[in-house]
Amino acid sequence: AQSVTQPDIHITVSEGASLELRCNYSYGATPYLFWYVQSPGQGLQLLLKYFSGDTLVQGIKGFEAEFKRSQSSFNPRKPSVHWSDAAEYFCAVDAGNKLTFGGGTRVLVKP
Amino acid sequence: NAGVTQTPKFRILKIGQSMTLQCTQDMNHNYMYWYRQDPGMGLKLIYYSVGAGITDKGEVPNGYNVSRSTTEDFPLRLELAAPSQTSVYFCASEGQYNEQFFGPGTRLTVL
Repeated sequence: AQSVTQPDIHITVSEGASLELRCNYSYGATPYLFWYVQSPGQGLQLLLKYFSGDTLVQGIKGFEAEFKRSQSSFNPRKPSVHWSDAAEYFCAVDAGNKLTFGGGTRVLVKP
Repeated sequence: NAGVTQTPKFRILKIGQSMTLQCTQDMNHNYMYWYRQDPGMGLKLIYYSVGAGITDKGEVPNGYNVSRSTTEDFPLRLELAAPSQTSVYFCASEGQYNEQFFGPGTRLTVL
């Protein structure tokens, strides 16, 4: 069975500093991996996704992530965060057309 | 193209009351989903539908019902509201590449 855990409940980062989000996945042979971002009071928006092919993926808001099968990781990074990156971020695994979500990581950006 | 729309945005119910959360998508997607979001818990799947006339239970279906008479609409019904159903509810539809598109959410409080 798929499982998804996000080890960081909160991350506080200074504006202009780098940011990496983490997620631990357990999945079957062909993972469909997703990251969603939720700004305060809003719905979820797709940040990044990995199905197959090129393991380096560019997402929205300047994020990129590399799928590393040996480490079961697909962690988004942004080299320089902006105040508008303050949001909650969710990773998810597709389990037969149903997503299993992690608990979320809330990112706070200090001026 | 409005995407996924949900009504109402906010609602307060008394224990035992009933209500229907509306969800409509204009992208002609077959797959639709209802989630609830509780703090620190990520999103939990309540019900989903793979097409008009076909629905199935998700992870937390108790206390809810759904119907899918058209491709566009996927209403969620609460028959006897309980405080445990206080949550934010999101509807989503799934596009061609397994990407889910989310509505803005309905914040429900049961007192």
